[in-house]
Amino acid sequence: EVQLVESGGGLVQPGRSLKLSCAASGFTFSNYYMAWVRQAPKKGLEWVATISTSGSRTYYPDSVKGRFTISRDNAKSSLYLQMNSLKSEDTATYYCANLNNLWFAYWGQGTLVTVSS
Amino acid sequence: DVVMTQTPVSLSVSLGGQVSISCRSSQSLVHNNGNTYLSWYLQKPGQSPQLLIYKVSNRFSGISDRFSGSGSGTDFTLKISRVEPDDLGVYYCGQGTQYPWTFGGGTKLELK
Repeated sequence: EVQLVESGGGLVQPGRSLKLSCAASGFTFSNYYMAWVRQAPKKGLEWVATISTSGSRTYYPDSVKGRFTISRDNAKSSLYLQMNSLKSEDTATYYCANLNNLWFAYWGQGTLVTVSS
Repeated sequence: DVVMTQTPVSLSVSLGGQVSISCRSSQSLVHNNGNTYLSWYLQKPGQSPQLLIYKVSNRFSGISDRFSGSGSGTDFTLKISRVEPDDLGVYYCGQGTQYPWTFGGGTKLELK
C-alpha cells in the first residue's frame, strides 16, 4: 500500500523559512517523479513543485520560484520542500504526491503551514 | 498559463441519480506526444484529494465504473452515475500537459 506522510508544518512568521518532509513507502520511490501541491484554507488546489526521479530536474510555478526548493533523498525514500521568504499567501495545507506520468496518483494527508506574525 | 474552468460550482443530486461536471481549458490539452493529460480528483470532506480519472477517460485503480470521463481538446466531462453517499465532496479537474500544471476551481457535489 502506498503511503505518503508529510511533516514539518506549523506556524511561522512572514519572511522566515520552513522545511517540509514527506516519508514515502509502499512503492519504489526512486522510480517516480514526485510533487508538492497546496491548498489554501477553503480554496482550491495549486501545484507547487515537481522533481524528477534523480532530482536533477525541478519545476515550479512563478508564485514560488526562487523561494521554494524541492529535493529528494532516494536512499531514505523522502521528499522535501524548503520554503524561504514565506508570505501570508503561502498559508495552506501542503500535500506530497506521487506522480504517475503527468497526473497525481497518490496523495499524503497533508501538513498545515500557517504564515502569520 | 492554462486556465481550467469548471461548471457548475456546486451540484445537488439525489442518491441513485446521475450528474455531469464540465471542465474547460483555455488552451488545447493535447501534448506534443499526442496524449491529453486531463485528470479528475475527488476530495471528500476532511480528506486529501484522490485520483479518479487520468488521461481523460482512464479510471484509476479501484475506481468504480460509475465514474466516466470523456472529452477532447479543451472540453471535458466527468459523469457519475448511480450516485452514492461516498461520492459526495469536491471534484477537481487538473491538467499536466503544460507547465505550470493547473486545476479547476472545483465542483461541490451535495445531496439534494
